[in-house]
Amino acid sequence: EAQVTQNPRYLITVTGKKLTVTCSQNMNHEYMSWYRQDPGLGLRQIYYSMNVEVTDKGDVPEGYKVSRKEKRNFPLILESPSPNQTSLYFCASSLLTSGGFVYEQYFGPGTRLTVT
Amino acid sequence: TQLLEQSPQFLSIQEGENLTVYCNSSSVFSSLQWYRQEPGEGPVLLVTVVTGGEVKKLKRLTFQFGDARKDSSLHITAAQPGDTGLYLCAGLIHGSSNTGKLIFGQGTTLQVKP
Repeated sequence: EAQVTQNPRYLITVTGKKLTVTCSQNMNHEYMSWYRQDPGLGLRQIYYSMNVEVTDKGDVPEGYKVSRKEKRNFPLILESPSPNQTSLYFCASSLLTSGGFVYEQYFGPGTRLTVT
Repeated sequence: TQLLEQSPQFLSIQEGENLTVYCNSSSVFSSLQWYRQEPGEGPVLLVTVVTGGEVKKLKRLTFQFGDARKDSSLHITAAQPGDTGLYLCAGLIHGSSNTGKLIFGQGTTLQVKP
């Protein structure tokens, strides 16, 4: 089954304790992206990757790191989480058009993170 | 910061009514996507519009991309309780060197009462 998986689905942690949220897709998609969703703000893009070893900042990259060592995986790293990073996080992947544009994204089920 | 203004933010209607959701911006988009999200799940793509003036239909849902590619609308005819959910628009900024950078609207929460 074609899917995007995220782990963990729920996480409660404390300020400053490094954590990683994993994201994996089995559709051989070039493009992967991380978003956070907060009430009233919609989805905001954190980082995205157009292909292996190619990553770029979205609108809200501060406090996050990513890596794309393999095509299928795109982990999100919070080196020193803070309470303002409490949010619902989504990973997504997509094929790229022949022109190199994102066409349609498939989203994972989400990771609800609480930082106390 | 590019903005994608989505309206209304909340909509509560009776089954059988029609409704329209709007996404507006001052920026030109290469493409615009519409998603539907249910509680506890990730957004699911409904449609992508690419050409100015394009109209796409998905059963009772009609999507339109503005001629200038700065706005889009989603019209639902004879809404049903199963249409309840959060509707999101997302645009790819035209001319940007960042071809993977997507801007989302704030979302429209739709409730259709039986």
